[in-house]
Order: sequence, then structure tokens, then C-alpha cells
Amino acid sequence: KAGVTQTPRYLIKTRGQQVTLSCSPISGHRSVSWYQQTPGQGLQFLFEYFSETQRNKGNFPGRFSGRQFSNSRSEMNVSTLELGDSALYLCASSFGPGQPQHFGDGTRLSIL
Amino acid sequence: AQRVTQPEKLLSVFKGAPVELKCNYSYSGSPELFWYVQYSRQRLQLLLRHISRESIKGFTADLNKGETSFHLKKPFAQEEDSAMYYCALSPGGSTLGRLYFGRGTQLTVWP
Repeated sequence: KAGVTQTPRYLIKTRGQQVTLSCSPISGHRSVSWYQQTPGQGLQFLFEYFSETQRNKGNFPGRFSGRQFSNSRSEMNVSTLELGDSALYLCASSFGPGQPQHFGDGTRLSIL
Repeated sequence: AQRVTQPEKLLSVFKGAPVELKCNYSYSGSPELFWYVQYSRQRLQLLLRHISRESIKGFTADLNKGETSFHLKKPFAQEEDSAMYYCALSPGGSTLGRLYFGRGTQLTVWP
């Protein structure tokens, strides 16, 4: 079956803009988590959604937000982009909280 | 606070040699521990979870609650084991789905 699909794969934005990233989970998976990966901080948890509800949120400013739709697809939004937001954003899906998470290839976001 | 430490950023061994990738964690409760692996130009994928107590690709990992460690071991390393390995912790309760990752260990297996 198809794996986790993230779009777009690459994105270039400038400071102050906003961006929306998309994640389509594996069919049947209802939980979606987002992570930010940078050389300086490694992999950091952003948020987790299950059945359209945010279950957990990491220590990121309110500029980072997300949502999940009834078909389990998820989007994350970053507003007022800063240079430090340049990172690889990974999405992971699972059948439910605590179940093994399966990762997508990520969206590489570059802020100019 | 939860923390996962992988003390070795780089680890090199020769083919056929035993390999051990270290992982230590700090968490007051009973976490679930995972090892994820990322091969060159591939996505991050689950290798092991401690509750499964299984061997995947010859790798095993034992949770030592006394030493708060979850080291990954393989008796005879192969060249195809060369990859980035991440140890991850999931707390229980309401934060069950949240993973805390270590910084990773890049394993190189020389022929």
C-alpha cells in the first residue's frame, strides 16, 4: 500500500510569508504527527492529531498550527516565516496514538 | 523532562564485527522505546520497538530500566547496515503518540 505522502517536497519562501504543508497518511491510519528536523536541534515534535483533534503540541510558537480533516489528511501552517524556520518537516502516520509511526519523505522548507 | 541521549555521533566497524549503538533515556515513568533507521536517500523507518522483543535484520535491543538504556546490538555487522540510527521514546498517558528522538548515530560498516 502507498506510504505517507507529503507535498510539496521542496519549498522556498521569504521572511514574513506563510506556508501550508500537506500530509496524506497511509490508508487506515487515523493518527498524524508532525516533526521538524534541523541540524542544530535534531528531530523535534510539533503536534499530533487523531480523529481531527489535536492531542499533543510541542514547544513551538503559535505561528505553527495544524489541522486534520475527516479523511485523516493533515496540513500544517506556519505564518510570519522566520529564517530559523528553514528545516525538513516530517509527517508520520499510525493507526492510533502509541502505535508505530510511519514517516513520509518530508518537505524541505527554505526561508530566504 | 524526557530526554534521549545517543552518545556517539559516528560509529565505524568492520564487516562481521559486533556493533552496539548506545541509547540512554531519562523519564520517570514507563516509556515505550523505539529504534528508527534511515538508509541513504530513504525515509525514516521503524526498526524495532521494545515491546515487540523481536529481532529485525539481526538487530536486537533490550530495555534496561535500571540503567535507563535501550542499546541496539548486532553480533555481525553487514555493509548494508550502514545508515543513520535514531533512538526514540514515547511517554505514556496523554502524550502517548509523541516521540522524543535522540540526535542519531551514523553507523558505517567497512568491507
